[in-house]
Amino acid sequence: KQEVTQIPAALSVPEGENLVLNCSFTDSAIYNLQWFRQDPGKGLTSLLLIQSSQREQTSGRLNASLDKSSGRSTLYIAASQPGDSATYLCAVINAGNMLTFGGGTRLMVKP
Amino acid sequence: EAGVTQFPSHSVIEKGQTVTLRCDPISGHDNLYWYRRVMGKEIKFLLHFVKESKQDESGMPNNRFLAERTGGTYSTLKVQPAELEDSGVYFCASSQDPRHRTAIGSYGYTFGSGTRLTVV
Repeated sequence: KQEVTQIPAALSVPEGENLVLNCSFTDSAIYNLQWFRQDPGKGLTSLLLIQSSQREQTSGRLNASLDKSSGRSTLYIAASQPGDSATYLCAVINAGNMLTFGGGTRLMVKP
Repeated sequence: EAGVTQFPSHSVIEKGQTVTLRCDPISGHDNLYWYRRVMGKEIKFLLHFVKESKQDESGMPNNRFLAERTGGTYSTLKVQPAELEDSGVYFCASSQDPRHRTAIGSYGYTFGSGTRLTVV
């Protein structure tokens, strides 16, 4: 049974800092891994998707890496801004096409 | 294109009552998924439709939950009778490509904003 863990559960940083969110999963036989963002009262916004054959993906200030063999992914946010404050969720897809989510990291970026 | 729409956005019902949640997927998306997040827990898979057929309902917690997708368009999730532990946020997602093979900038899953269900 796939289990996904995200560390830390909460993070508060001053504006401008670079930060790293961590995700680990127990079953390395994943099809892909997605990072989502959730704002309070809103749905999930997909940020980055990494196929199992890829090592990383980049979008703007975001960079996600994947080390499938060790069951780890990181989301790097450069030059954080108050608008980045949200909950960040990591999810993996196995052969069953369902997403298995981590508990999320609540990020607060202070002006 | 219009996104995934869920209705209602919030629902407060008494224990023992019935509630029906609705999801309208992106037009043309054959795959529709229900997920939920109960307080303090991770988002969990409930079930997966491919058109009008249930592909996987292994995540449905018990027989008080009934999902339908008549005609392969919108879907409903009925909880009858509702219990206190059913409180949480119910998300719907749709996808066109079941293998989620997407290029950068085009992502497989599109989620709705969720329905926050409170059972009192």
